[in-house]
Amino acid sequence: KNEVEQSPQNLTAQEGEFITINCSYSVGISALHWLQQHPGGGIVSLFMLSSGKKKHGRLIATINIQEKHSSLHITASHPRDSAVYICAVRPLIQGAQKLVFGQGTRLTINP
Amino acid sequence: ETGVTQTPRHLVMGMTNKKSLKCEQHLGHNAMYWYKQSAKKPLELMFVYSLEERVENNSVPSRFSPECPNSSHLFLHLHTLQPEDSALYLCASSQWSSYNSPLHFGNGTRLTVT
Repeated sequence: KNEVEQSPQNLTAQEGEFITINCSYSVGISALHWLQQHPGGGIVSLFMLSSGKKKHGRLIATINIQEKHSSLHITASHPRDSAVYICAVRPLIQGAQKLVFGQGTRLTINP
Repeated sequence: ETGVTQTPRHLVMGMTNKKSLKCEQHLGHNAMYWYKQSAKKPLELMFVYSLEERVENNSVPSRFSPECPNSSHLFLHLHTLQPEDSALYLCASSQWSSYNSPLHFGNGTRLTVT
């Protein structure tokens, strides 16, 4: 079992819908990252958080350290949000820069 | 422009070929990484360089050989690869001294081994 599990693995929704992607992890962490990967392959960092909640535009990321769980929300979803969303954690016991990645959630937003 | 540039974007090579992947970062970072992304699998860390010294090698076969001549450039030399090495190879950089410095990724090289 991977140390980082994402759900769902695939998600298809209509434009305008509210989207939630979940990430659960099994180790103590210093930080959690949400990343976005478009079909071309490049990966963009969306959020890095260690507690609470962060918001950027239509994207919101939350984390509950006690429950070892994070969610990424997209409000008023748009076809350009279609991408793979990846959760990654930096374990406390690992080297300072080592991330453990989830398998990704493929999101498709239809017009 | 991501700040991290990878070339080539696509590469097809035979099992007896020798090729190199190149990564260049313009962000002033002092740590660079090679990741492998295979279909339906999480990103796998291959190598980490900090201040031009290799600090991590995740049991990667010797047919993959990294080189970091300076803090801005990173290469991955490939020789006698296998078809199962076909994947997306991603380069990333960060600021090593900053404990929670985010990673900045390139667009990747899509490698196909025939």
